[in-house]
Amino acid sequence: ILNVEQSPQSLHVQEGDSTNFTCSFPSSNFYALHWYRWETAKSPEALFVMTLNGDEKKKGRISATLNTKEGYSYLYIKGSQPEDSATYLCAFTGDGSSNTGKLIFGQGTTLQVKP
Amino acid sequence: GAVVSQHPSWVICKSGTSVKIECRSLDFQATTMFWYRQFPKQSLMLMATSNEGSKATYEQGVEKDKFLINHASLTLSTLTVTSAHPEDSSFYICSASSGKTRKRGYTFGSGTRLTVV
Repeated sequence: ILNVEQSPQSLHVQEGDSTNFTCSFPSSNFYALHWYRWETAKSPEALFVMTLNGDEKKKGRISATLNTKEGYSYLYIKGSQPEDSATYLCAFTGDGSSNTGKLIFGQGTTLQVKP
Repeated sequence: GAVVSQHPSWVICKSGTSVKIECRSLDFQATTMFWYRQFPKQSLMLMATSNEGSKATYEQGVEKDKFLINHASLTLSTLTVTSAHPEDSSFYICSASSGKTRKRGYTFGSGTRLTVV
């Protein structure tokens, strides 16, 4: 059974704090790792798709790193703002699913940024 | 950007009735749509993969006769929960590929909260 774990489950920070959370996934048969941002009552929004070991991607104040050999990815938010409050999901695709596109999701990390 | 419209956002139905959930890709053609279910405090779990013009592929443990998926056009996929029971109460969400998934990821609908009473 392929398992994707995210930690922490939830996080409360003050505006301006920087924060990071972790996604762990199977290190064998890796194809891609996705990060999504999901605000309440909205659609999950794709942040990053990472495919290469050592990949680092950045979008504004949000960045992510990828280590496929040890099976983890970190998501960083620099200078958190209240509008960053959301659930952040990571999802793994193994190379056996590269044609089907099947994603295996973690449970998500819910971030609350207090003004 | 790519948008998937999902309806209804929420629905309450009586036990034994059927409910249809629609997902439409508004500005792109979705050859493949995915249907997920999420129970409280759990992760999104893939139920089935639906390809336009062919039968859906169901994940292990998902009853294909209970969860009917139709993907008759490149812009519309439907999930019908037949003879719904309270244990089918859940959050259902679809996603689709706009063709550049390795760069852009998948486009999701906003989900449907189903409550069966």
